[in-house]
Amino acid sequence: AQSVTQPDIHITVSEGASLELRCNYSYGATPYLFWYVQSPGQGLQLLLKYFSGDTLVQGIKGFEAEFKRSQSSFNLRKPSVHWSDAAEYFCAVGAQQAGTALIFGKGTTLSVSS
Amino acid sequence: EPEVTQTPSHQVTQMGQEVILRCVPISNHLYFYWYRQILGQKVEFLVSFYNNEISEKSEIFDDQFSVERPDGSNFTLKIRSTKLEDSAMYFCASTLTPTGGELFFGEGSRLTVL
Repeated sequence: AQSVTQPDIHITVSEGASLELRCNYSYGATPYLFWYVQSPGQGLQLLLKYFSGDTLVQGIKGFEAEFKRSQSSFNLRKPSVHWSDAAEYFCAVGAQQAGTALIFGKGTTLSVSS
Repeated sequence: EPEVTQTPSHQVTQMGQEVILRCVPISNHLYFYWYRQILGQKVEFLVSFYNNEISEKSEIFDDQFSVERPDGSNFTLKIRSTKLEDSAMYFCASTLTPTGGELFFGEGSRLTVL
């Protein structure tokens, strides 16, 4: 079955500390992988995506993610977290076929402490 | 920057009433989607739409739901007879590329069914 697992429901990180949000997927076809961020009361904003090529992808706001096929993982990282990064983060996987729905994980809520 | 816009931002309705949620996708996009997020839960796929017909739908998208693109710009989701469990944030999304994947989301329409 196709699925996305985000094992951490809630993470608290000190401002300035590094961050890693975990994402594991199960997908039959070659996946496209995404991280979206949702700030309170807002829609979903794309942070970064992996389609092919270099397995380390850079996104907006200083985020990066690494695709590890052997581990079926696509973890999101940031070297130094800012208070404005507090939000909910969703990992998603989709197929390479046009119009295919994305499958989302349940999300990880990030809190940033001062 | 082009964006997906949704109206209304919040709608309160009585159980059994019909609701129409409206979306204006990015103008040159070809694929359109509705997702929903029940409070505290993950984002769930409802339906995708391409070339004026549904291309994929989930189990959630039963006979109470319908979509249409009435005028070439708007993309609507209709719920014929709302139930309490339809209370959720509904997100519209669109994408351009035929290889699929990256979705641009609107800010969502919050539906509250009383």
